Amino acid sequence: GQQVQQSPASLVLQEGENAELQCNFSTSLNSMQWFYQRPGGSLVSLFYNPSGTKHSGRLTSTTVIKERRSSLHISSSQTTDSGTYLCALGMNYNQGKLIFGQGTKLSIKP
Amino acid sequence: GPKVLQIPSHQIIDMGQMVTLNCDPVSNHLYFYWYKQILGQQMEFLVNFYNGKVMEKSKLFKDQFSVERPDGSYFTLKIQPTALEDSAVYFCASSLGAGANTEVFFGKGTRLTVV
Repeated sequence: GQQVQQSPASLVLQEGENAELQCNFSTSLNSMQWFYQRPGGSLVSLFYNPSGTKHSGRLTSTTVIKERRSSLHISSSQTTDSGTYLCALGMNYNQGKLIFGQGTKLSIKP
Repeated sequence: GPKVLQIPSHQIIDMGQMVTLNCDPVSNHLYFYWYKQILGQQMEFLVNFYNGKVMEKSKLFKDQFSVERPDGSYFTLKIQPTALEDSAVYFCASSLGAGANTEVFFGKGTRLTVV
């Protein structure tokens, strides 16, 4: 089955609202990365966060190893935040091999 | 931060022809990867490469695919011959290590269209 599951699959918000994206995994965590994928397809790295909480501007990532989950919080969303957010889990024996979730498609309405 | 460069960003090729996708990884990195994403679908691991050799490849890495990094220059993915189902965005990535606390850095991708 799916080792990495993201929820929700899609999310529509009004500008200014906060977004909470979830990533759950079925295997032991060895590394966790979050990416933003632009509508054109290019990838932007957001966080490398194997455990704990990290902040970057309006973004916060929290990974809780025991609960096998990681979350991405976007505060005061903007229309430019629209796109697909991907989480990726590093494999135990080869942590450069990432298993990606199917993504959360975020749409922010003006 | 560290950058992985991919050239070109877009390529259109006739079915049956050969194509080479080029990647300039982060300069001191030792491990290199290719990932494939078909439009609207999940990003999937293809292959990783270290010390001149393929370390691991997925079932998506068909016999028509090959990778190399001659003399420390570009890390390349060659497809020969191409098929319609090879149309996808191919992402190159690199990392310093492959053990604990490995962060992987990705390029922006090359969109390959096979017609």
